[in-house]
Amino acid sequence: GNSVTQMEGPVTLSEEAFLTINCTYTATGYPSLFWYVQYPGEGLQLLLKATKADDKGSNKGFEATYRKETTSFHLEKGSVQVSDSAVYFCALVTGGGNKLTFGTGTQLKVEL
Amino acid sequence: DAGVIQSPRHEVTEMGQEVTLRCKPISGHNSLFWYRQTMMRGLELLIYFNNNVPIDDSGMPEDRFSAKMPNASFSTLKIQPSEPRDSAVYFCASSLGGQGYEQYFGPGTRLTVT
Repeated sequence: GNSVTQMEGPVTLSEEAFLTINCTYTATGYPSLFWYVQYPGEGLQLLLKATKADDKGSNKGFEATYRKETTSFHLEKGSVQVSDSAVYFCALVTGGGNKLTFGTGTQLKVEL
Repeated sequence: DAGVIQSPRHEVTEMGQEVTLRCKPISGHNSLFWYRQTMMRGLELLIYFNNNVPIDDSGMPEDRFSAKMPNASFSTLKIQPSEPRDSAVYFCASSLGGQGYEQYFGPGTRLTVT
């Protein structure tokens, strides 16, 4: 079956620090990969996605590269801001469908 | 576009009462998902529909939970009777069908069962 493993949180960083949130996956078939973000009190929203190997998804300064050889999709940002404080979810979908398999989420706290 | 609309935003009820959560998906989307989020269990998929037909309800906790989608623009999630352990935030999401399409989440309904 499909599964997604994310690093445990919370991750606490100072503003302008470099961010990495690790995500690895196992999947039957050829997955599409996603990062969703959940700000406090809100629903999840798509941050970025990649649909084939070596694709790089990017949005709002965040990036993630689909690495088939290491089955990974790590999220990175060069300089975080306080407004990036949120919970980040890695997810995948396979089989031509649209049922997402989510990781457990990683809480990011950015301090001044 | 108004996005996914959920109502009510907050619900407080007593144990044993019936609770009905409502969702209006984005117009034109043909897939609809119900999720539950708690601190203990994280984000769980309860059920999803394609073209108004339930495709996978394996995440529905037990017979107390039921979901319907009578048409493309409306879905309900009902809990009867409710229990304190049902307290959670319930999200509805919709998407276009097929792999690679993002899910758009509603703002959620925070349910508290006392």
